[in-house]
Amino acid sequence: EAQVTQNPRYLITVTGKKLTVTCSQNMNHEYMSWYRQDPGLGLRQIYYSMNVEVTDKGDVPEGYKVSRKEKRNFPLILESPSPNQTSLYFCASINTGGAYEQYFGPGTRLTVT
Amino acid sequence: EDQVTQSPEALRLQEGESSSLNCSYTVSGLRGLFWYRQDPGKGPEFLFTLYSAGEEKEKERLKATLTKKESFLHITAPKPEDSATYLCAVTASYDKVIFGPGTSLSVIP
Repeated sequence: EAQVTQNPRYLITVTGKKLTVTCSQNMNHEYMSWYRQDPGLGLRQIYYSMNVEVTDKGDVPEGYKVSRKEKRNFPLILESPSPNQTSLYFCASINTGGAYEQYFGPGTRLTVT
Repeated sequence: EDQVTQSPEALRLQEGESSSLNCSYTVSGLRGLFWYRQDPGKGPEFLFTLYSAGEEKEKERLKATLTKKESFLHITAPKPEDSATYLCAVTASYDKVIFGPGTSLSVIP
């Protein structure tokens, strides 16, 4: 089954404690992306990657890092989380060879206290 | 600055009552406009990609159209299972994707 997986699905942490949210896709897509979704602000792009070792900032990259060492994986790293990073996070991959349909993961709900 | 707005913010329909959702965009050099459906607590689900003004796409009770400034998602004879938030997004360069705030649709039996 074609899918994007994220782990963990839920995470409660404290300010300053480094964390990583993993993302993996099994569709051999070159493009992957991270979004955060907040009430009233909608989905905002954090980082995206057009291919292995190629990453670029979206609209809200501050406080986040990413890496793309393998085509299938695109982890999101929060080196020093703060309460304003409490949000619902989605990873996605795009079929750039088709209708540019974007496949989203199930989401990670992060709470930083 | 590239921007996407959607209206109405929320829409309540009786089952079978057709209507349209609007997505207005400001982007330099539109390469693609996308519609997604999002159920509570889940990731968005892809519906359509539109590339140029005049283009139309259909899927079951949904039909998406595109002009140079906006897109419409027409819902014909909706059913309760069509209740969801509908998101519009645009890309100008096939890298950054900008989403609108969404329209929350409720279809009452």
